[in-house]
Amino acid sequence: AQTVTQSQPEMSVQEAETVTLSCTYDTSENNYYLFWYKQPPSRQMILVIRQEAYKQQNATENRFSVNFQKAAKSFSLKISDSQLGDTAMYFCAWGTQGGSEKLVFGKGTKLTVNP
Amino acid sequence: KAGVTQTPRYLIKTRGQQVTLSCSPISGHRSVSWYQQTPGQGLQFLFEYFSETQRNKGNFPGRFSGRQFSNSRSEMNVSTLELGDSALYLCASTPRPGYTGELFFGEGSRLTVL
Repeated sequence: AQTVTQSQPEMSVQEAETVTLSCTYDTSENNYYLFWYKQPPSRQMILVIRQEAYKQQNATENRFSVNFQKAAKSFSLKISDSQLGDTAMYFCAWGTQGGSEKLVFGKGTKLTVNP
Repeated sequence: KAGVTQTPRYLIKTRGQQVTLSCSPISGHRSVSWYQQTPGQGLQFLFEYFSETQRNKGNFPGRFSGRQFSNSRSEMNVSTLELGDSALYLCASTPRPGYTGELFFGEGSRLTVL
């Protein structure tokens, strides 16, 4: 069975600094997606960044980038120039490329950006 | 374009009762999935629907059921509520199964069982 592990339950960072959130996963499949979702205190989950496993290039979305190490099954999220609005729960998730909407989520990392 | 709408947003029930939660997907989205979020277990997949058919089901007891209507709206039902069913229930939609893998979530329905 697929599992996703986030080893940092809580993290904090100063505004404008850089922070990295860790995620490891376990799967025997070769074709899959990895995601980072953000859940602000208002609770609506939104996609931060997505990585397709067959792509070697790390995904980047503005201040957000990932370090995808397929062999090590590691998928970390780097947030640069942290902003107060980045304060949220961050969930790492795994999904198969086979057409199912089932995602396997990690337990989450609560990130606080301090002014 | 309106997002995923879930109703009710908050509800309180007592043990043994049943509850029905509703989800309206983004217009044009035909695939709907449900997740349960609790502090202890995190986010767990409940089930997914496409074209009124359940395509996949998570590891939950038969008290948890769902359905999808012809307009893609979905409902989930929990019968004989237990204290452990207290959770945030999230609905997500996509245009079709496997659409880039990205899910669009609603704000959730917060269920408290007393």
